[in-house]
Amino acid sequence: NAGVTQTPKFQVLKTGQSMTLQCAQDMNHNSMYWYRQDPGMGLRLIYYSASEGTTDKGEVPNGYNVSRLNKREFSLRLESAAPSQTSVYFCASSESRSSNQPQHFGDGTRLSIL
Amino acid sequence: GNSVTQMEGPVTLSEEAFLTINCTYTVTGYPSLFWYVQYPGEGLQLLLKATKADDKGSNKGFEATYRKETTSFHLEKGSVQVSDSAVYFCALTPRIGNKLVFGAGTILRVKS
Repeated sequence: NAGVTQTPKFQVLKTGQSMTLQCAQDMNHNSMYWYRQDPGMGLRLIYYSASEGTTDKGEVPNGYNVSRLNKREFSLRLESAAPSQTSVYFCASSESRSSNQPQHFGDGTRLSIL
Repeated sequence: GNSVTQMEGPVTLSEEAFLTINCTYTVTGYPSLFWYVQYPGEGLQLLLKATKADDKGSNKGFEATYRKETTSFHLEKGSVQVSDSAVYFCALTPRIGNKLVFGAGTILRVKS
């Protein structure tokens, strides 16, 4: 039972390079999310997709774009990577956008920008 | 805006000690409240949740009670084990929508 799968697990980029982080879930969930985790700051929402075909900005969207490719897949793109984007990125999904639905997380992508 | 405040860590305990991790929140309306746990090198896992005032969430010996009057959701466990060593995150979702707001996380280290 895979749950939420993120690829790659680790990546090192140079400033200015582009990169797409992939996320797929096999739980038939409607809503998907991208977070970044930085020391001492918990997780902060970058973008989310309440349902297939919709995307919305979260708390820290600048420098990122997303694509909800289909119900299963939700990708995060860095068009021109900056050192401030060095972080651990987590994808999550939930059955619906109802506030009492728990989110299920992938294992994260550790991204370093030099 | 919405926010969650957790006690700073790391918290270091001996095996079988009592655990409390404090969590308070600020939000408009009545949120759903969650505790997530992150083991080293892994993603977050839901530990427990409570969706209305006075609800008690519980799982694996951990408990937390939704206290509207004190806007708190403190995590407790009567007897911790080495395997409980992890980072614990308190989080909320506002009444409408499912955008989680996280606290900064509390590192728990349990020594044998």
